[in-house]
Amino acid sequence: AQSVTQLDSQVPVFEEAPVELRCNYSSSVSVYLFWYVQYPNQGLQLLLKYLSGSTLVKGINGFEAEFNKSQTSFHLRKPSVHISDTAEYFCAVFSSGGSNYKLTFGKGTLLTVNP
Amino acid sequence: GAGVSQSPSNKVTEKGKDVELRCDPISGHTALYWYRQRLGQGLEFLIYFQGNSAPDKSGLPSDRFSAERTGESVSTLTIQRTQQEDSAVYLCASSSDRNYGYTFGSGTRLTVV
Repeated sequence: AQSVTQLDSQVPVFEEAPVELRCNYSSSVSVYLFWYVQYPNQGLQLLLKYLSGSTLVKGINGFEAEFNKSQTSFHLRKPSVHISDTAEYFCAVFSSGGSNYKLTFGKGTLLTVNP
Repeated sequence: GAGVSQSPSNKVTEKGKDVELRCDPISGHTALYWYRQRLGQGLEFLIYFQGNSAPDKSGLPSDRFSAERTGESVSTLTIQRTQQEDSAVYLCASSSDRNYGYTFGSGTRLTVV
């Protein structure tokens, strides 16, 4: 079975500061990894994804994430955040191969950017 | 349409009533998913449709929940005899390839009073 742990339920930061949102996963097989963002009263929007290849993945809005297989992590980073980045961020995983097609989500991290 | 469309966006219902939630996936997307998001929680998988294959209903929490999909288009999620614990945002997503992430709708916020 696969699972996702987002270590921080809330992360408050000041505008223009760097931020890292942590995500760890567990799976017995190869994985695909995703980060989604959910702005207030909206659906989920795909930020970035790791399928294969380079472990550093760049997404929209200046976000990037690094896949670390040995540490089973996929942390999300941004060097300088804006007020508009305030949102809930979800890490998700599913295992390649077999019949598993369900994205398993973490519980989310609420990023609050303060002026 | 350009995105996944869900209706209604908000629904308030009395305990014990039935509700029906609708999802219009992106045209051409063969896979359709329903997830439930309770306040402060992650997304909970409910059901998956892929083309004309039998749906995977393993995530439905009780027999009060059911879902249908017409071919590769619209899907409806029905909750019978709603309970207060059914209050949540119900999200629909579609995908053309399960390995490349899903496109989500804006969700239906269900409140059972």
